Amino acid sequence: DAKTTQPPSMDCAEGRAANLPCNHSTISGNEYVYWYRQIHSQGPQYIIHGLKNNETNEMASLIITEDRKSSTLILPHATLRDTAVYYCTLGGGADGLTFGKGTHLIIQP
Amino acid sequence: DTGVSQDPRHKITKRGQNVTFRCDPISEHNRLYWYRQTLGQGPEFLTYFQNEAQLEKSRLLSDRFSAERPKGSFSTLEIQRTEQGDSAMYLCASSYRDFTYEQYFGPGTRLTVT
Repeated sequence: DAKTTQPPSMDCAEGRAANLPCNHSTISGNEYVYWYRQIHSQGPQYIIHGLKNNETNEMASLIITEDRKSSTLILPHATLRDTAVYYCTLGGGADGLTFGKGTHLIIQP
Repeated sequence: DTGVSQDPRHKITKRGQNVTFRCDPISEHNRLYWYRQTLGQGPEFLTYFQNEAQLEKSRLLSDRFSAERPKGSFSTLEIQRTEQGDSAMYLCASSYRDFTYEQYFGPGTRLTVT
């Protein structure tokens, strides 16, 4: 009973921006939006998180809508190494995370 | 830079046997989490510790599963009387208590029950 909804798969051309959507219409006021990715056979890797403001770090940007019911992860210049399963999840900080099935992003050369 | 480590990386066991996995978190991290991941699914949260205290264990899958973190450093996850349905990747993650909410995951232990 994941609280987020993501498309199962997406393609993106190498060098282009990859925009990964996530719906979280039941998010509560104190829940953060987290993004992780998992490259085959490795543990998940933290990418970014946010509460209500847009965030940017060296890996990606996170855009959260004003009503907080959806968000978009942006990889500005996708490379082949960005091929992975991307998970959008919600959490209150210290708790264990609930992951859905994520989006399998495939970067095409 | 030592990240989260897990041992063993792979374990094959016969049904009915007990198995124990170890997780060493990043040294200054005082929160430690265990997850299980089956094929095609995202990780499923099992339990977590703050220092040596187990603060959440209701999500452990059955009473055959138990976890310890006796000195607030490394942790072990034990599965007793393994079943074929226990075959999965078991992931450990750690995080620092205050102001940092990201969890750092280890490479996982792949369990196969025959």
